[in-house]
Amino acid sequence: GENVEQHPSTLSVQEGDSAVIKCTYSDSASNYFPWYKQELGKRPQLIIDIRSNVGEKKDQRIAVTLNKTAKHFSLHITETQPEDSAVYFCAAFSWAGGTSYGKLTFGQGTILTVHP
Amino acid sequence: ETGVTQSPTHLIKTRGQQVTLRCSSQSGHNTVSWYQQALGQGPQFIFQYYREEENGRGNFPPRFSGLQFPNYSSELNVNALELDDSALYLCASSLQGNEPQHFGDGTRLSIL
Repeated sequence: GENVEQHPSTLSVQEGDSAVIKCTYSDSASNYFPWYKQELGKRPQLIIDIRSNVGEKKDQRIAVTLNKTAKHFSLHITETQPEDSAVYFCAAFSWAGGTSYGKLTFGQGTILTVHP
Repeated sequence: ETGVTQSPTHLIKTRGQQVTLRCSSQSGHNTVSWYQQALGQGPQFIFQYYREEENGRGNFPPRFSGLQFPNYSSELNVNALELDDSALYLCASSLQGNEPQHFGDGTRLSIL
């Protein structure tokens, strides 16, 4: 089955710096890669996603890049703010062959702390 | 547009008991997935429901079961509760499997 590795597990930056979180996946058939932000005690919130036919996607200060050959994808946050502090999860979607069933496999999460 | 709602928010049970958690999907979403999130971990896929049928299952034993109703709402049932079942249980809905999944606030289950 799919396996997603996420690094680093913790990331501390100064306000205004950039932050980069990296994930690798194992199933070359995975075709959809969302990123979620989870604040303490709250639901995971979808912040950006990318499909396998696209190499990069940007939404204001957030961007995601995908390298299908190397099977890795990254989240880039520019001009970080204290309110960006949270746990960030990457995930990969893969279909079970011959069925309409597919599932998301999540990374272990990155605790991002942005210091004012 | 109504988001994903889950109930109850918190629940305390003892070992061996049974529990039912509920989820109302986002308006128009026909696919519901359930996840278990242990403290400090990423969500782990339990199973998915599509058109009232279980459409796939992760590495969870049969004592984890579910239902989906005609209005696409869903239940997660866990029998013979164990201490390791203590976790945040998240429900996510989507239009179909590989469409964006939107999560509810979860049910925090504690087993004593």
